[in-house]
Amino acid sequence: AQSVTQLGSHVSVSEGALVLLRCNYSSSVPPYLFWYVQYPNQGLQLLLKYTSAATLVKGINGFEAEFKKSETSFHLTKPSAHMSDAAEYFCAVSEDNFNKFYFGSGTKLNVKP
Amino acid sequence: KAGVTQTPRYLIKTRGQQVTLSCSPISGHRSVSWYQQTPGQGLQFLFEYFSETQRNKGNFPGRFSGRQFSNSRSEMNVSTLELGDSALYLCASSSSPTDTQYFGPGTRLTVL
Repeated sequence: AQSVTQLGSHVSVSEGALVLLRCNYSSSVPPYLFWYVQYPNQGLQLLLKYTSAATLVKGINGFEAEFKKSETSFHLTKPSAHMSDAAEYFCAVSEDNFNKFYFGSGTKLNVKP
Repeated sequence: KAGVTQTPRYLIKTRGQQVTLSCSPISGHRSVSWYQQTPGQGLQFLFEYFSETQRNKGNFPGRFSGRQFSNSRSEMNVSTLELGDSALYLCASSSSPTDTQYFGPGTRLTVL
């Protein structure tokens, strides 16, 4: 079965600093990988997805993620944090079926002024 | 284009009751998936429907069921509610099983 591990349930950065949110997955087959963001009392919004094309994936709001098969990782980064980035971020993996996701436990990002 | 809508947004029930939640997908989307989100268990897949057929099911008891109508709208039903069923229930739709899923705002169910 698939599993997703997000290291750090809470991450705090200063405005303008680098954002790094970690995600490791376990999969016996090449996975499809996703990052979603959730603002309070809202659903999930897709940030980016990896579907075996380029290993560096660019998403919305300046976020990007790099697929590293050797490390089974798909970490999310943003060069410069903005106050509006404060939210909870979820990494998700799917095998051959896009619509059955396995989610990580989430990382709450706090951005300090 | 309107997004995924879920009704109701908030619901309070008591143990033993049953509840039905509704999800209207984005126009033209035929695939609908349901997820349960709780602080303890996180986001867990419930089931997925495509063209009125349940294609996948997660690891939930039979008290959790769903269906999809010919207009792609979907409902999920939980019978004999337990306290542990309190959660945010999220619905997601996509145009096909291999396309990006778009999530609705969720229905927050509280079981007392």
